[in-house]
Amino acid sequence: RKEVEQDPGPFNVPEGATVAFNCTYSNSASQSFFWYRQDCRKEPKLLMSVYSSGNEDGRFTAQLNRASQYISLLIRDSKLSDSATYLCVAYYGQNFVFGPGTRLSVLP
Amino acid sequence: DAGVIQSPRHEVTEMGQEVTLRCKPISGHDYLFWYRQTMMRGLELLIYFNNNVPIDDSGMPEDRFSAKMPNASFSTLKIQPSEPRDSAVYFCATLSGRGDTGELFFGEGSRLTVL
Repeated sequence: RKEVEQDPGPFNVPEGATVAFNCTYSNSASQSFFWYRQDCRKEPKLLMSVYSSGNEDGRFTAQLNRASQYISLLIRDSKLSDSATYLCVAYYGQNFVFGPGTRLSVLP
Repeated sequence: DAGVIQSPRHEVTEMGQEVTLRCKPISGHDYLFWYRQTMMRGLELLIYFNNNVPIDDSGMPEDRFSAKMPNASFSTLKIQPSEPRDSAVYFCATLSGRGDTGELFFGEGSRLTVL
């Protein structure tokens, strides 16, 4: 079993749709969690951190449930420019463990 | 700052050849990570350094792989001899201070093809 697992995708959604990504992690020692975005043939970049209380950054909302070891990312009013692969990341002891990613295509 | 700089961006080589990938971290970042990305296995941590010292190399696949960080501004990942299954994108990433802020800065990657 992989340490961080994500919806396999791909997700193909129309512009304006709301899309949710799910992620689970197996290491209960994980301290912090993040969502990274990776455009095609580019490097990953930090999208947002995930806090236990939930956090929002514009159209993006991240949630963490430590009891269930579950993380989510919600994108509202999706744009064409949101098309990318979204990587869930668990951090512990200076080790960043990346999930396999979920690819999103936002269609016109 | 120019960000994390990796070279070469692309390399095509034949099985058995030595491959050296290079990374120049962001100045002042005291952690440096080498990752490998493939379609099948995603992003895998190979090794990371703190203040030029290798801390965890448990992700290095086998003895054919080695990594060094002779000073704070340079690191190499070497594969000798290379095999077709080493074909992947190799990323170098750096971090300043504590990791719980989450911001790893990645280079653009080195895309390796071993024929």
